[in-house]
Amino acid sequence: GAVVSQHPSWVICKSGTSVKIECRSLDFQATTMFWYRQFPKQSLMLMATSNEGSKATYEQGVEKDKFLINHASLTLSTLTVTSAHPEDSSFYICSAGRRDHRRETQYFGPGTRLLVL
Amino acid sequence: KQEVTQIPAALSVPEGENLVLNCSFTDSAIYNLQWFRQDPGKGLTSLLLIQSSQREQTSGRLNASLDKSSGRSTLYIAASQPGDSATYLCADTNSGGYQKVTFGTGTKLQVIP
Repeated sequence: GAVVSQHPSWVICKSGTSVKIECRSLDFQATTMFWYRQFPKQSLMLMATSNEGSKATYEQGVEKDKFLINHASLTLSTLTVTSAHPEDSSFYICSAGRRDHRRETQYFGPGTRLLVL
Repeated sequence: KQEVTQIPAALSVPEGENLVLNCSFTDSAIYNLQWFRQDPGKGLTSLLLIQSSQREQTSGRLNASLDKSSGRSTLYIAASQPGDSATYLCADTNSGGYQKVTFGTGTKLQVIP
């Protein structure tokens, strides 16, 4: 159990376009979902935390108007990179929180690699 | 602020060797610690998760230990194989009210046939 999927796994787009990435918890309901970003040769950094039905909480330095997060249901969160530019090229990973042992454990999706030309 | 460090940053070993990857964290107030594998251009694969109350977890040729008091975790890989070549990441979840996962810097492992 605790499977998280992401779609698409790969996306290449032109500069200026918007890209939507989906994150789904397949076999559990996730009240909280998290979005991470990984630049080449760096570790994963938390971008934002989203709770179902409320606005996302963004980490310092992450532009909320550029990275739109919608947590529409208990099994789906989307990240939209608006007006993408080459510097947004990165590896984006989501995680979904499931309550285990009276505390949430994050389960990670496989990631989405974005390349902006 | 939690900091997670992994040493070495890169490791190359001949096939068949046993090896140890190290992970250290500055704040011992953790809820759990996970080890992941990341293949080039791919996502994360969860390997082992150790709860704060546990000392170790085992899965096949992998054994992960946790020593909260010293702020360390190790991942032991027995009888390494070329297919084990990947980047290994450790990540801890804090035990505070606001859940936060902090990833380590990773160890890039190459197992030479």
